[in-house]
Amino acid sequence: EVQVVESGGGLVKPGGSLRLSCAASGFTFSSYSMNWVRQAPGKGLEWVSSISDRSEYIYYADSVKGRFTISRDNAKKSLYLQMNSLRAEDTALYYCTRFSDGFDVWGQGAVVTVSS
Amino acid sequence: DIQMTQSPSSLSASVGDRVNITCRASQGISNSLAWYQQKPGKVPELLIYAASTLQSGVPSRFSGSGSGTDFTLTISSLQPEDVATYYCQKLNSVPLTFGPGTKVDIK
Repeated sequence: EVQVVESGGGLVKPGGSLRLSCAASGFTFSSYSMNWVRQAPGKGLEWVSSISDRSEYIYYADSVKGRFTISRDNAKKSLYLQMNSLRAEDTALYYCTRFSDGFDVWGQGAVVTVSS
Repeated sequence: DIQMTQSPSSLSASVGDRVNITCRASQGISNSLAWYQQKPGKVPELLIYAASTLQSGVPSRFSGSGSGTDFTLTISSLQPEDVATYYCQKLNSVPLTFGPGTKVDIK
């Protein structure tokens, strides 16, 4: 079964850091670009970051540029999002997604809450 | 950056009705557009990519059209299980912006 599973969410204070992980299975992870998408409570979808199959191309939304770092380990079939200098507005459900024409595989999401 | 808008923001229709949702890009994006369905409390699912190509497994009552700046998602005969929020997304270049969503429910 093709799936991605996020982990690493939690409660963090403003200014703190958190690292999300996404474990992929059921497909050739190293052949696909991967992405993070977030959804704040009661709000719409927001693209956060993308990384190409061999990590040669990396992109960020302006809202997280300079604070978040996307990376991947193809040998471990894993995607990561290092989140630093977290703000209250980063509170959201963070989805790991696979890109194949569109975002065709989504995980269940990892909840990140930034609050003092 | 290219902005994405959707209309209407919400709609209520009867079972069996034809429903159209519009997505507009502030600049041309060719056919680099996807549509997603997010049912209440669920994970988004890809419905359509390349503006008009139906994702495998998606019911044929869903269709997409358009190119350039104006796109439409059509549900030919609304079903109760189609209650959801629908999002468009541009895929031609970063940022891979989503539209604000259209909430569809049953009258």
